[in-house]
Amino acid sequence: KQEVTQIPAALSVPEGENLVLNCSFTDSAIYNLQWFRQDPGKGLTSLLLIQSSQREQTSGRLNASLDKSSGRSTLYIAASQPGDSATYLCAVATSGTYKYIFGTGTRLKVLA
Amino acid sequence: DTAVSQTPKYLVTQMGNDKSIKCEQNLGHDTMYWYKQDSKKFLKIMFSYNNKELIINETVPNRFSPKSPDKAHLNLHINSLELGDSAVYFCASSQSRNSYEQYFGPGTRLTVT
Repeated sequence: KQEVTQIPAALSVPEGENLVLNCSFTDSAIYNLQWFRQDPGKGLTSLLLIQSSQREQTSGRLNASLDKSSGRSTLYIAASQPGDSATYLCAVATSGTYKYIFGTGTRLKVLA
Repeated sequence: DTAVSQTPKYLVTQMGNDKSIKCEQNLGHDTMYWYKQDSKKFLKIMFSYNNKELIINETVPNRFSPKSPDKAHLNLHINSLELGDSAVYFCASSQSRNSYEQYFGPGTRLTVT
C-alpha cells in the first residue's frame, strides 16, 4: 500500500531564501509524481508533474526532482517570495491505478 | 471561466440531514473525481467516474452516493450526515482515466453540527 510522507509539516523562511520541500513514498512502482499548491480556501493548483522516467522538471523558480529507487522527491523553490506562502502537496500515482495518493503537505510561510 | 466548479462553497447542516454537493467541469474531460480533505489536511480519493461509469470506489460509507448524470457533472449525495463527515470535499477532472493530470475545483467546506 502506497504511503506518502512530507517533511517538514510547516516551514517559515525570510523572503529571498532558497528552500527545499521533501516528499517520500513507500512503493517505488509509480507512474508519476505531482506537486500541487493549495491556497487557503482554494482548490489545488498543479505546479509540476514528473513522469516516472524523468529525473526532474523545472518551471520558473521551481524545480522538482525524482529519485524512484530511494522513494524520494524534492521541490526546490528559489528566491522565495511572500506570494509563495501556501500549502504544498506531493501526490503519487502508483502504476496500475488511476488515482493519486497525497502526502499531508508542507505549510510554507515566507516572511516579508 | 471556471474550469471545475462546485456548489455550494460552504455548507453547514445538522447531524442526520441529507445533503448534496454539485460539481461541473467545462473542460470536456471524460473522468471526474471526488476527494475528501479532513481536519488534518489529509486529502484522500473517494470516487472516480469515467464517462458516467464508476471506476474507483474507495472504502467509503454507503451513506455517500455519487451520481453522474453526464460526463460533465459529478454530484455527491450524503445521507444521514455525521459529525465525522465535516471536511472539505474537492471535485477534480482529467481528460481520461489514463491521464493523471487532474484539475481541481475550489472545494466545498461541509460542517456538520
